[in-house]
Amino acid sequence: KNEVEQSPQNLTAQEGEFITINCSYSVGISALHWLQQHPGGGIVSLFMLSSGKKKHGRLIATINIQEKHSSLHITASHPRDSAVYICAVSNYGGSQGNLIFGKGTKLSVKP
Amino acid sequence: DTEVTQTPKHLVMGMTNKKSLKCEQHMGHRAMYWYKQKAKKPPELMFVYSYEKLSINESVPSRFSPECPNSSLLNLHLHALQPEDSALYLCASSQDQGSNQPQHFGDGTRLSIL
Repeated sequence: KNEVEQSPQNLTAQEGEFITINCSYSVGISALHWLQQHPGGGIVSLFMLSSGKKKHGRLIATINIQEKHSSLHITASHPRDSAVYICAVSNYGGSQGNLIFGKGTKLSVKP
Repeated sequence: DTEVTQTPKHLVMGMTNKKSLKCEQHMGHRAMYWYKQKAKKPPELMFVYSYEKLSINESVPSRFSPECPNSSLLNLHLHALQPEDSALYLCASSQDQGSNQPQHFGDGTRLSIL
């Protein structure tokens, strides 16, 4: 069983829809990261959170430490949001800074 | 614009060639990382440098040789690669190697081995 599980694997939405991507993890963590990877390859760090909720523009990330679960929400989705969204965790006590990655969620937003 | 710059963006090389991938950051970060990413898979950690010293080598074959000449630069020297080494190679940096530091990624070098 993977230590970081994401769902869904693939997601297709119409422009304007509200989108939710889920991430569950089975290890103790010090932080959880949401990353965005466009088809060109580069990865952008969207959020790093260890509790509660963070918001940046149309993106919202939440984490429930007790349930070992995080969600990434996109409001008013747009075709430019099409990308792979990756959940990654920093292992608790992992002073080495290693990230444990989920397999990613491929999002396609249709106009 | 990404704050971590990788060159070249694309590289095609034969199995007998020697080439190098370069990564540069000017954010004052003291930890730098090399990842390998195959298609439709998450990145896999290869090496970590902390304060210009190799901190982690994830059992990477010796045909990959990392080098950190100074705190801003990270190289990956390639020699006698195999076709299965074709992948996207990503560089990242963070303030230090602590577990609560976000990593900043470059755009990657897409490597094809003929």
